[in-house]
Amino acid sequence: SQKIEQNSEALNIQEGKTATLTCNYTNYSPAYLQWYRQDPGRGPVFLLLIRENEKEKRKERLKVTFDTTLKQSLFHITASQPADSATYLCALLPNRDDKIIFGKGTRLHILP
Amino acid sequence: GAVVSQHPSRVICKSGTSVKIECRSLDFQATTMFWYRQFPKQSLMLMATSNEGSKATYEQGVEKDKFLINHASLTLSTLTVTSAHPEDSSFYICSAVPGLAGVYTDTQYFGPGTRLTVL
Repeated sequence: SQKIEQNSEALNIQEGKTATLTCNYTNYSPAYLQWYRQDPGRGPVFLLLIRENEKEKRKERLKVTFDTTLKQSLFHITASQPADSATYLCALLPNRDDKIIFGKGTRLHILP
Repeated sequence: GAVVSQHPSRVICKSGTSVKIECRSLDFQATTMFWYRQFPKQSLMLMATSNEGSKATYEQGVEKDKFLINHASLTLSTLTVTSAHPEDSSFYICSAVPGLAGVYTDTQYFGPGTRLTVL
């Protein structure tokens, strides 16, 4: 079956360290993959998009990698801060004529 | 830029009543908006695609007569939950795709969500 998998358990990271979140998918060849941040009781906020022909994308303290061979994307937050605590959603476009689908998200806690 | 609002943010209603949720793109036009439902600790589930000037496209398993969608303008889509029941209680989120570009290639901008509780 086709699916997107994200770390199901919450991730606790000490402030100042790098947080790394994983998104794995199966049976897709996505045109692109996105990462969103979602705070409790709020809608998702778009962070980064990485296309199938890109290996890495950066934005300030954020870095996303995309390995189409491993069918995996890694989302890194460097110099993490308590304000980075949230749920992070991975989303991908399965095919060019399809709709975006979302993973369940990983809850990240940055410990002061 | 790219702000999407939803109203109301929270609604509590009695079983059998209808509830309307508005989704507005405040600083851009959107021919396409999406409506999602999210249960606790679950992923966003797409309910329907709202297209300005035409009928909405519903995902499999979503009753179009229960979840009425009207995309009356390039900045407003509404979702009406008709004859709501407790099982309809959920977090409803809309998103909008700016402009007239390809629906499935542009970034979605999400509203803040509406928490619906049906008693």
